Amino acid sequence: GQQLNQSPQSMFIQEGEDVSMNCTSSSIFNTWLWYKQDPGEGPVLLIALYKAGELTSNGRLTAQFGITRKDSFLNISASIPSDVGIYFCAGRGANDYKLSFGAGTTVTVRA
Amino acid sequence: DGGITQSPKYLFRKEGQNVTLSCEQNLNHDAMYWYRQDPGQGLRLIYYSQIVNDFQKGDIAEGYSVSREKKESFPLTVTSAQKNPTAFYLCASSGVLNQPQHFGDGTRLSIL
Repeated sequence: GQQLNQSPQSMFIQEGEDVSMNCTSSSIFNTWLWYKQDPGEGPVLLIALYKAGELTSNGRLTAQFGITRKDSFLNISASIPSDVGIYFCAGRGANDYKLSFGAGTTVTVRA
Repeated sequence: DGGITQSPKYLFRKEGQNVTLSCEQNLNHDAMYWYRQDPGQGLRLIYYSQIVNDFQKGDIAEGYSVSREKKESFPLTVTSAQKNPTAFYLCASSGVLNQPQHFGDGTRLSIL
């Protein structure tokens, strides 16, 4: 699979802040997934998106499937210390069984 | 509880040695996957399996081998041909190939 372009690579955020990260692809996807990985553990699925323009929330997390089908965004509202971790995007094309992953966004929260 | 169990959590390999990483799932998923994770990089697919007794190479299969004799089990062997085996290895499964993948907690492999 291709490597997705995920940004920012890392971020320091103040507790209570809203933050955003995004992922872009050079090809069209029909599935976007967002995962969170805590140190020494496996990634946990946060949100799955299946349609262009789709906006889906999971608690304080909101993700969107870009209209161009080549990008996706994840927003975290009102950050708390347990939001620390690495967030990965992953995507899949229409006729592709393989997931392509971004390199991750490392989030550190200042208390 | 349903889930994916990887063992051991930490593994050390000597030069010239083959080691096997275990992955077991009780989610009744047909598809299983092995990924390698290196610092600052996305996950890279090593092997995947759609069904029992069938598996396919991923993007970085050289130096690795797998078997799928049972639906719930998908062990990965890191052979001596893999010259840079130090990494975090993640096993995943999904109902079928195009459904979201769920991950185990990983095995960290290091060289002695």
